[in-house]
Amino acid sequence: QKEVEQDPGPLSVPEGAIVSLNCTYSNSAFQYFMWYRQYSRKGPELLMYTYSSGNKEDGRFTAQVDKSSKYISLFIRDSQPSDSATYLCAMSDRLNTGNQFYFGTGTSLTVIP
Amino acid sequence: GAVVSQHPSRVICKSGTSVKIECRSLDFQATTMFWYRQFPKQSLMLMATSNEGSKATYEQGVEKDKFLINHASLTLSTLTVTSAHPEDSSFYICSASLAMGETQYFGPGTRLLVL
Repeated sequence: QKEVEQDPGPLSVPEGAIVSLNCTYSNSAFQYFMWYRQYSRKGPELLMYTYSSGNKEDGRFTAQVDKSSKYISLFIRDSQPSDSATYLCAMSDRLNTGNQFYFGTGTSLTVIP
Repeated sequence: GAVVSQHPSRVICKSGTSVKIECRSLDFQATTMFWYRQFPKQSLMLMATSNEGSKATYEQGVEKDKFLINHASLTLSTLTVTSAHPEDSSFYICSASLAMGETQYFGPGTRLLVL
């Protein structure tokens, strides 16, 4: 079983839709959760960074962590064509694995104008 | 802040040659740098972790004699692909963190094509 599972998609939505991206994980020691956005042929860009459970909001983006279910989500409101990219979740427990991140496979998102 | 650059962005080389890729943290000192490779439509695969002034820690299955990593300063790490072969063609991405336990900031990646 992989440490982190993420549906690769592809996901296609109309402009203005609410997008929900999700990852599940198996290691209960994970405490740090990140979402990265990667445009084609570019390096990943950090979008959201969350510690432990709860919600975090930044503009149109909301990250949720449910540690009891080992499930994290990224919501994008009022999606724009410029949001079209691959979204990667990443997580770590830092203390036991140093700073090693465990990545999902990424979900490819296309927002149609 | 937290900008990481990579050079070159793209390189094409002949089989058997060596290629060096540089990773720089531009506006912060990176205690730890990471090297990943990514195949098309796949996620990032960690190759090695390097701390300034010490030997890199390689992931299982990654040949340390083939992928030489040097982290000579707090702002520069280099990855040298020695005797490159077509199967080494990939997208190589570095990341840097301020300290162990901090989040990682990624470079723009280097696309390597070995003919």
